[in-house]
Amino acid sequence: SQQGEEDPQALSIQEGENATMNCSYKTSINNLQWYRQNSGRGLVHLILIRSNEREKHSGRLRVTLDTSKKSSSLLITASRAADTASYFCATEGGAQKLVFGQGTRLTINP
Amino acid sequence: EAGVTQFPSHSVIEKGQTVTLRCDPISGHDNLYWYRRVMGKEIKFLLHFVKESKQDESGMPNNRFLAERTGGTYSTLKVQPAELEDSGVYFCASSQDRVGVGYTFGSGTRLTVV
Repeated sequence: SQQGEEDPQALSIQEGENATMNCSYKTSINNLQWYRQNSGRGLVHLILIRSNEREKHSGRLRVTLDTSKKSSSLLITASRAADTASYFCATEGGAQKLVFGQGTRLTINP
Repeated sequence: EAGVTQFPSHSVIEKGQTVTLRCDPISGHDNLYWYRRVMGKEIKFLLHFVKESKQDESGMPNNRFLAERTGGTYSTLKVQPAELEDSGVYFCASSQDRVGVGYTFGSGTRLTVV
């Protein structure tokens, strides 16, 4: 298994519904970050949660972190067509580098 | 402020040829990183510059890859000679000089080796 595994690998929902993506990791971390990648474009930083935080909000995004279970979740509320993208979690440990998961492909259907 | 700029956006080369990718980080960001995603797998770290120095190059796959950051500004990543398995998307990112601030990524260079 890889560090930063995401679940599910693909998710398809109707516009207006909530989308939840999960991420698990293996080693100790300083923080966990979520990124979005629209097709053919770069990675966009969405939100960062530190290891001593349990929940964080940013607009329609809610991130939780459970360090005892080494897992995180990203909730997107009231989804929109523009939210269609791939979402990646990435952990940052002692070194300044990110370890990414394989990503969740989210499709919002109109 | 301008974001992280990568050039070219796409490159198609033949096996055995040389390709050089360029990354211009955000002005003032001492940290510059290269990552890549090959064959739909996870995005993997290649190396990290602090200014012009290589802080961590543990992710570089082999000696066919050479990264430079002369003067601590833009960086280049050269692949010589390119192999089929080098195909993928190469991302550059930059960040401020502290942990936990998030990274700004470029749009990536899609490299196809045929």
